[in-house]
Amino acid sequence: QSELTQPPSASGTPGQRVTISCSGTRSNIGSNYVNWYQLLPGTAPKVVVYSNNQRPSGVPARFSGSRSGTSASLAISGLQSEDEADYYCAAWDDNLIGYVFGTGTKVTVL
Amino acid sequence: EVQVVQSGAEVKKPGEPLEISCKVSGYIFTNYWITWVRQMPGKGLEWMGMICPGDSDTRYSPSFQGHVTLSVDKSINTAYLQWSSLKASDTAIYYCAKRSTGATTSDHWFDPWGPGTLVTVSS
Repeated sequence: QSELTQPPSASGTPGQRVTISCSGTRSNIGSNYVNWYQLLPGTAPKVVVYSNNQRPSGVPARFSGSRSGTSASLAISGLQSEDEADYYCAAWDDNLIGYVFGTGTKVTVL
Repeated sequence: EVQVVQSGAEVKKPGEPLEISCKVSGYIFTNYWITWVRQMPGKGLEWMGMICPGDSDTRYSPSFQGHVTLSVDKSINTAYLQWSSLKASDTAIYYCAKRSTGATTSDHWFDPWGPGTLVTVSS
């Protein structure tokens, strides 16, 4: 099962901007929407960006997403301590006929 | 409000069968696919498969095809993930989620998710 490639870690001080990349192929990110999920220990995963750049109600405006070609990114502007979590990108893959997740990025607030 | 409730933690021995559940409420169960995702200890998320509660159409990841079975009981708005014979490598947290959809057929995401079921397989 192929995966989307993310950096293993990212960090910043409170108030800084952090960006997480997600690299895929033409059959997944290049052809389909990208979604981003936040995992906090002991809690249910939560979508923070869907359809490349849409933010669900209740998700702070400091979260934003974008897609270009076969890559996508999640930006957290004005980093806050509660943003410390694992983040995963995901997309449908036309070759696998299924979903692929990113390798995951641990965001640390210094 | 859409809610997803998963069954409690399980401790099993290798070779034993297991079925875990995912009960949803707050929307029309048969209208949206339910997906299952695995997270092994210290590892990332892996998509296992999904099932359409309306007609029980299923799609499996090649990595899980033949090792797990997805099913639903429409009468109680519940989806199931089943193993006939567990292995130690099945030790993981298993999440279910509603597959939400957007304006186009290719626009879908997982929301909300259940809290996960921890399955521990050990002799």
